[in-house]
Amino acid sequence: DGGITQSPKYLFRKEGQNVTLSCEQNLNHDAMYWYRQDPGQGLRLIYYSQIVNDFQKGDIAEGYSVSREKKESFPLTVTSAQKNPTAFYLCASSIGQASLTYEQYFGPGTRLTVT
Amino acid sequence: AQTVTQSQPEMSVQEAETVTLSCTYDTSESDYYLFWYKQPPSRQMILVIRQEAYKQQNATENRFSVNFQKAAKSFSLKISDSQLGDAAMYFCAYRTLGADGLTFGKGTHLIIQP
Repeated sequence: DGGITQSPKYLFRKEGQNVTLSCEQNLNHDAMYWYRQDPGQGLRLIYYSQIVNDFQKGDIAEGYSVSREKKESFPLTVTSAQKNPTAFYLCASSIGQASLTYEQYFGPGTRLTVT
Repeated sequence: AQTVTQSQPEMSVQEAETVTLSCTYDTSESDYYLFWYKQPPSRQMILVIRQEAYKQQNATENRFSVNFQKAAKSFSLKISDSQLGDAAMYFCAYRTLGADGLTFGKGTHLIIQP
């Protein structure tokens, strides 16, 4: 079955440590996205990538970094510079960004807790 | 900047009844898409329905339909014959061509009373 996988489902880290969240898709989609969800909030865009080896900052990129070395993979690193990293992180993908009709498909998410 | 507003943090409806969730948005664009996503307790985001701004006809998907009022910038979701499985957070989202990603509202928590 085609889809998006995120691992792990729950992640715990100590303050000051960098942590990398995994996102893999086998939908052959060009575009991939990372969103953050906080309680009582909608999703907010962290980073997005339209093609391999290219990515752009979203609305709340500070304290985060990404890479896109393969079409299928778009890992997100939460660095120690992120002041409030505890949140639910969702990865998404779409066929491409050029058309409005391309819906975004979401992974199951990773709950990150930093203490 | 585009904004999406969902004015109902929580709604409750009896099973088999109809409920309408509200969404308004602010944009100066003429070409865009609107979406309703469902997030059940599993937290998996599921696309419920989408509407193209240039289409006057309201989108429908089985028990789900929208009332799209472009001039009023309103995009409400109607759920008919509510079922227990409809209980979830519902997010309204907006996207314009060339945008980085989706702009989401803060969501409405829908409770289905048996």
